[in-house]
Amino acid sequence: EVQLVESGGGLVQPGRSLRLSCTGSGFTFGDYGLSWVRQAPGKGLEWVGFNRGKPYGGATQYAASVKGRFAISRDDSKSIAYLQMNSLKPEDTAIYYCSRHLSDGGSCYQNWGQGTLVTVSA
Amino acid sequence: DIQMTQSPSTLSASVGDRVTITCRASQNINIWLAWYQHKPGKAPNLLIYRASSLESGVPSRFSGSGSGTEFTLTISSLQPDDFATYYCQQYNTYSTFGQGTKLEIK
Repeated sequence: EVQLVESGGGLVQPGRSLRLSCTGSGFTFGDYGLSWVRQAPGKGLEWVGFNRGKPYGGATQYAASVKGRFAISRDDSKSIAYLQMNSLKPEDTAIYYCSRHLSDGGSCYQNWGQGTLVTVSA
Repeated sequence: DIQMTQSPSTLSASVGDRVTITCRASQNINIWLAWYQHKPGKAPNLLIYRASSLESGVPSRFSGSGSGTEFTLTISSLQPDDFATYYCQQYNTYSTFGQGTKLEIK
């Protein structure tokens, strides 16, 4: 069974950093692209960024709202992906989901983790 | 950036109804569109990908159509478990979600 588990969320002050982790199991982690998607309180889903995975070129892209502050990395040998979040703002408060792309490389989200809550507040 | 506009924002319907949700893209996205169902406290669930391909395990009452800039999600006969929020997502260029359609019980 495919599973994704996010961790690392919590309360952080504005301007500080936080690193989220996404641990995968039940599939060959390195064969898939991965995305981070967030949902702010009372709002809709927002794409944060993706890494396409080595079979699909390994490119990483970010939404304009986080570009230059957030960075996605992955350690395929450990089946873990990371979202490094720097210079956090109150508007980054959200549930952050890790999601796995389709097996054909299409960057829509076939599997999701349960999410981890990040709260940015003084 | 590609913008995705869903309509309606809220939809009230009854069990057994046929409902349609529309998603419009600000530019041509070919068939690179997905639909998700999202319930409070749970992870979103992929329903449709590549505009009209039904994800494995999703009931056949869900269907998608469209290409280019106009897309629809249709639920042929609403069931009690279908009341949720639905999102479209383009993945032609990076990724963008629509603002969501909340499907409520009439």
